[in-house]
Amino acid sequence: EVKLVESGGGLVLPGASLKLSCIVSGFTFSDYWMRWVRQAPGKGLEFIGEIKPDGSKTNYAPSMKGRFTISRDNAKNTLYLQMSSVRSEDTATYYCARPLGDSGPFDYWGQGVMVTVSS
Amino acid sequence: DVVMTQTPVSLSVSLGGQVSISCRSSQSLVHNNGNTYLSWYLQKPGQSPQLLIYKVSNRFSGISDRFSGSGSGTDFTLKISRVEPDDLGVYYCGQGTQYPWTFGGGTKLELK
Repeated sequence: EVKLVESGGGLVLPGASLKLSCIVSGFTFSDYWMRWVRQAPGKGLEFIGEIKPDGSKTNYAPSMKGRFTISRDNAKNTLYLQMSSVRSEDTATYYCARPLGDSGPFDYWGQGVMVTVSS
Repeated sequence: DVVMTQTPVSLSVSLGGQVSISCRSSQSLVHNNGNTYLSWYLQKPGQSPQLLIYKVSNRFSGISDRFSGSGSGTDFTLKISRVEPDDLGVYYCGQGTQYPWTFGGGTKLELK
């Protein structure tokens, strides 16, 4: 069974940094691109970016470039999202997701982790 | 970025009924390779999204044939027939033809 489990969320002060993790099981992690998507409370889905199977390449949505960094540790079956200089508008549920094929849609999603940016 | 517009924003249906959700893109979703990367997702209350349909009309593994996708270019439709209680939630279309991936604003399906 494919499983993705995010962690690391919580309440964070504006301007701070936070690192989210996504531990996967049920498939060969090192064979897949992996992605992050977020959803502000009551809002729609927003793509953040993705990382190549070997970690050598990342792509980000233009609006996300600069403050978000995606990385992975294939030995630990873990995907990461480093968030820096967070703002109130970064308040959202963050999902890791696996694509169907290299460039396909999001076929498996984690349960999500909530990040609240507030003083 | 490609803007995805879904209509209606919300929809009421009786159990056993049929509904259609429209998704329109600001640019053609036909990729240079000839594929159209339009997908549909359902987010049930309190859950993460789940993939229903990909490349316009292909049902994902385990998805009922009550769900069907159609369309081309910039106009796409998701049809749900014989609606069941487990179908309720918010439906999103998403495109991956042009980077970055973008999604519609969602259509909430509720019981009448």
